[in-house]
Amino acid sequence: GENVEQHPSTLSVQEGDSAVIKCTYSDSASNYFPWYKQELGKRPQLIIDIRSNVGEKKDQRIAVTLNKTAKHFSLHITETQPEDSAVYFCAASMISGRRALTFGSGTRLQVQP
Amino acid sequence: KAGVTQTPRYLIKTRGQQVTLSCSPISGHRSVSWYQQTPGQGLQFLFEYFSETQRNKGNFPGRFSGRQFSNSRSEMNVSTLELGDSALYLCASSLNPPSGGALNEQFFGPGTRLTVL
Repeated sequence: GENVEQHPSTLSVQEGDSAVIKCTYSDSASNYFPWYKQELGKRPQLIIDIRSNVGEKKDQRIAVTLNKTAKHFSLHITETQPEDSAVYFCAASMISGRRALTFGSGTRLQVQP
Repeated sequence: KAGVTQTPRYLIKTRGQQVTLSCSPISGHRSVSWYQQTPGQGLQFLFEYFSETQRNKGNFPGRFSGRQFSNSRSEMNVSTLELGDSALYLCASSLNPPSGGALNEQFFGPGTRLTVL
């Protein structure tokens, strides 16, 4: 089955700096990679996703890059703000929906004001 | 439109007991997935139901089971509870089985926090 590894487990940055979270996956058949944000005491929410036919996708301060050859993808947050503080989860799946989402172990991002 | 709801929100049980958790998906959603969230293991997939059929199952023992009703509401059951079953159990619903499409985004419920003593 699929295995997703996520690094780092914790990340502390100063407000205004950039943050990068990296994930690797094992199954080359995976072609859908969503990222979820979970604030303390709240439910996970989808913030951005990417399909394997795209190398990069941006949404305001958030971007995700994908390297299919190396089987890794990354979340980039620029100009971090205190409200970005949360746990971020990457996941891998298949567009066909034939396999469930496999999540990484999560990264706790702390943005220091 | 109401979001995903889960009941109960909190539950305390003792070892050996069994528990049933309930999930009501967003109206119109036919797919429900269940996850176990623990501090050490992150989000672990339990199973996914679509139109009352289990489509996918994670690597959990047979003590964990689930079902889905004709109105798409889902229940999961854990029998012979162990201390290690203490976790936040999240369900998520989507229009169709979760996949890479805007129409198939998963929406999570608030979770049921289960404590096993």
